[in-house]
Amino acid sequence: AQSVTQLDSHVSVSEGTPVLLRCNYSSSYSPSLFWYVQHPNKGLQLLLKYTSAATLVKGINGFEAEFKKSETSFHLTKPSAHMSDAAEYFCVVSVKTGNQFYFGTGTSLTVIP
Amino acid sequence: EAGVTQFPSHSVIEKGQTVTLRCDPISGHDNLYWYRRVMGKEIKFLLHFVKESKQDESGMPNNRFLAERTGGTYSTLKVQPAELEDSGVYFCASSQGRGDLLWANVLTFGAGSRLTVL
Repeated sequence: AQSVTQLDSHVSVSEGTPVLLRCNYSSSYSPSLFWYVQHPNKGLQLLLKYTSAATLVKGINGFEAEFKKSETSFHLTKPSAHMSDAAEYFCVVSVKTGNQFYFGTGTSLTVIP
Repeated sequence: EAGVTQFPSHSVIEKGQTVTLRCDPISGHDNLYWYRRVMGKEIKFLLHFVKESKQDESGMPNNRFLAERTGGTYSTLKVQPAELEDSGVYFCASSQGRGDLLWANVLTFGAGSRLTVL
């Protein structure tokens, strides 16, 4: 079975400081992993994805994530938070044997001026 | 390129009434998914269409929910009769690709339809 755990439901950072949003997954097979972001009243937007190529994945808006198989983690990071990063972030896993995508419960990011 | 469009954006209905949500996927995307997020919980899979065929409807909660995709273009999700626990945000997503590449596909999501059942 597949599942995703986002360890923090809320994260607050000051503008200009690093962002770390944590995600652990459980999968019986080699997974594809995604991070999506949702700004208020908008659709979910893809930030980045991992599909068994390079373990360090760079996405849009300066975000990146590292796939660590030994830790079953796919944490999202950004060196310097911007006010426009305030949103809800979802970690998502899918596997080759199925066609479903499994979501974490989301992490709400607040950026303090 | 137009994105995934969903409407209504918000619907408020009484328990026992019927609501129909509509999703227009990106043109040319064979795959169309419905997901739901109940307040405070994770986004959960409802069903997956490939063109007009239901590929997987294992996430549909019960027979009060009916999804269609006639002609393989837009899709509707009808809830009849609605219950309080059906309240939440219903997301539609679409993607290209087929077969064993589905798992690596990027889903493009709509903004969601918020359903409130009173």
